[in-house]
Amino acid sequence: NAGVTQTPKFRILKIGQSMTLQCAQDMNHNYMYWYRQDPGMGLKLIYYSVGAGITDKGEVPNGYNVSRSTTEDFPLRLELAAPSQTSVYFCASSYLTSGGAGGELFFGEGSRLTVL
Amino acid sequence: AQTVTQSQPEMSVQEAETVTLSCTYDTSENNYYLFWYKQPPSRQMILVIRQEAYKQQNATENRFSVNFQKAAKSFSLKISDSQLGDTAMYFCAWSGTASKLTFGTGTRLQVTL
Repeated sequence: NAGVTQTPKFRILKIGQSMTLQCAQDMNHNYMYWYRQDPGMGLKLIYYSVGAGITDKGEVPNGYNVSRSTTEDFPLRLELAAPSQTSVYFCASSYLTSGGAGGELFFGEGSRLTVL
Repeated sequence: AQTVTQSQPEMSVQEAETVTLSCTYDTSENNYYLFWYKQPPSRQMILVIRQEAYKQQNATENRFSVNFQKAAKSFSLKISDSQLGDTAMYFCAWSGTASKLTFGTGTRLQVTL
């Protein structure tokens, strides 16, 4: 059971380039999330999804896009990369019943992105 | 908006001793969940313990326990019999009915011999 898998683990981008961070989970979780962690800070929510075809913004969505075409995959797209997007990105998933809350989040190992 | 505050950026404890990490939060919701996550140098986020706000009994997981004071909006983590493997960043987090976690800025815990 692989859990939550993120690729790539490391990437260096030039300003203005675009890229996609991939995230896949094999636990049949309905909820998926993207967080970013800046040095010395906690995690901040970028986007989340409550199921295939449904996504919503989190606290810091500017400069990012997501899609959720399947239950398993939740890619994060960076358009026109900027130095402010240098961070560690975490994908997570959880299973929640309708109206439920408080489920444990299972995290990937993180992707370190540097924009120069 | 919900906020989570961890006022101790760094703490140190000797092996086998007990340490308490502090966390306060602010919310207007009545039903919510609180978590402590551990992030070792490997960067992996690991759930340590979870508390449902509607439960008065404090959660316990082996050497880890919490002191949940709902009226004071306080949620501290106690680690007993500290081990070298407990060295990590510890994040307090809050989740409401929307199940989106709001994290504190973390406390770096160093366990020494």
